[in-house]
Amino acid sequence: QSALTQPPSASGSPGQSVTISCSGTSSDVGAYDYVSWYQQHPGQAPKLIIYRLTMRPSGVPDRFSGSKSGNTASLTVSGLQAEDDAYYYCCSFADHNTLIFGGGTKLTVL
Amino acid sequence: QVQLQESGPGQVRPSETLSLRCAVSGGSVNTDDYYWGWIRQTPGGVLEWIGNLCSNGNKFYRPSLSSRVSLSMDTSRNQFSLSLTSVTAADTAVYFCARRGRTIYSDAFVAFDYWGQGLLVTVSS
Repeated sequence: QSALTQPPSASGSPGQSVTISCSGTSSDVGAYDYVSWYQQHPGQAPKLIIYRLTMRPSGVPDRFSGSKSGNTASLTVSGLQAEDDAYYYCCSFADHNTLIFGGGTKLTVL
Repeated sequence: QVQLQESGPGQVRPSETLSLRCAVSGGSVNTDDYYWGWIRQTPGGVLEWIGNLCSNGNKFYRPSLSSRVSLSMDTSRNQFSLSLTSVTAADTAVYFCARRGRTIYSDAFVAFDYWGQGLLVTVSS
């Protein structure tokens, strides 16, 4: 059960949009629309920002959006703000009722 | 507001058993709508799903840990527990407990919406 593949880093200036990819296989991302995304600031627990591929929990700004194409899911952060500077992790449901996380992406707001 | 709090030793000796508890407040673990799970974060920052269980008895484990891990629940104390045997340095991590939606009627279906603050466990003699 290998981790999903995310780029180690991404960056953008305030107001810009950034997209983070999450690549899996036909046994996880490609097979199910149960991809979630988490934001983590240093020293804190991960915070859920996207679930079921495109859904946002209450309180999460609509600047955060999710999508999928084939075996790759993506998180787009629009209108970057300073507080978006954090680590982002994807997670997918997988065969045999398991879950797989991505390796994480450090988003830097320049 | 659901809150989760991990507790247990911060250091475990190699080959021994790591035992952690997660106390839940603001909600009941005795529900078919949610799984209760454990995730760990390695010193390098990688998140690893360990497993989750439901009060109806359903349990699912990370395949690579399945021979060493066991989850249990105490509904009378509204808490659940993790046991990991024969630990090595590779098991050093921050351990989080979390709630995961189990049905389409749950909040955050198949996603962890509430997390504990995390507990650093170091495997060292």
